[in-house]
Amino acid sequence: DGGITQSPKYLFRKEGQNVTLSCEQNLNHDAMYWYRQDPGQGLRLIYYSQIVNDFQKGDIAEGYSVSREKKESFPLTVTSAQKNPTAFYLCASSIQPPESNQPQHFGDGTRLSIL
Amino acid sequence: AQKITQTQPGMFVQEKEAVTLDCTYDTSDQSYGLFWYKQPSSGEMIFLIYQGSYDEQNATEGRYSLNFQKARKSANLVISASQLGDSAMYFCAMRDGLFPFRGAQKLVFGQGTRLTINP
Repeated sequence: DGGITQSPKYLFRKEGQNVTLSCEQNLNHDAMYWYRQDPGQGLRLIYYSQIVNDFQKGDIAEGYSVSREKKESFPLTVTSAQKNPTAFYLCASSIQPPESNQPQHFGDGTRLSIL
Repeated sequence: AQKITQTQPGMFVQEKEAVTLDCTYDTSDQSYGLFWYKQPSSGEMIFLIYQGSYDEQNATEGRYSLNFQKARKSANLVISASQLGDSAMYFCAMRDGLFPFRGAQKLVFGQGTRLTINP
C-alpha cells in the first residue's frame, strides 16, 4: 500500500540534544511538508520541499532543519535551538504541481517530548 | 494574510443526528481551495472533502457535504446521520491558488473542533 511512514512514533529529547524525525513516502509525490501541532491547536507549517535538493521555510522554521536528498525522504531535525520542542509532528506529501482538488496525504505523526 | 477560524472548540451530538461544523476564512485571493480533515485520537489526518472557490455546486462525499457560502466566506462541514466513529477533531484548511504555477500547496489550518458523538 502506498503511504507515508513516520518514525519513531514517540521520541524523547534531552537538553542540548538534536533529534531527527524520519519521513518516508512511496506515493511518488514531489512535494513534502512538515507540520507542528500543539495540544488543542491546528497545524503550523515548519518546512516544505517542492523537489529534491530544494526546500523553503514555513511559518515556524526557527530551531528546525531539513534535507531533501531523495524524493522519498524528508527528515526533520529538531535542534537544541528549538527551546519548546514538545509537540506532535506530522509529515505530509502532495502531487507537484498540485492539482486543485488533490489533498495532502499525512503520516501517522511523531510525538516529541523533553526529558 | 490568510486565516481560518473555527469558533466551536467542542460539539456534542447524539448518534444518528446531523451536525454542522463551522469554518470561516479570510483571504484576498480570488482563487483558493478549502479542505476538511478528520483527526482521530490516534493522530493521523484523514482527508474528507474539498471545495474550490470557483466550484458552482457544494461539494459532497458520502455522508459529508460542504455548505459553501462564498460571499460570507464560510465553508461549513455537514455530517449527516452521525456515527460513533465520527468522534474526532475536525480541521478546516485553506490553500491559496488553484493552479499549478503557484507551486507547493501551502495550507493554513484552523484550530479545530472536537466532535463527540453520544450513543
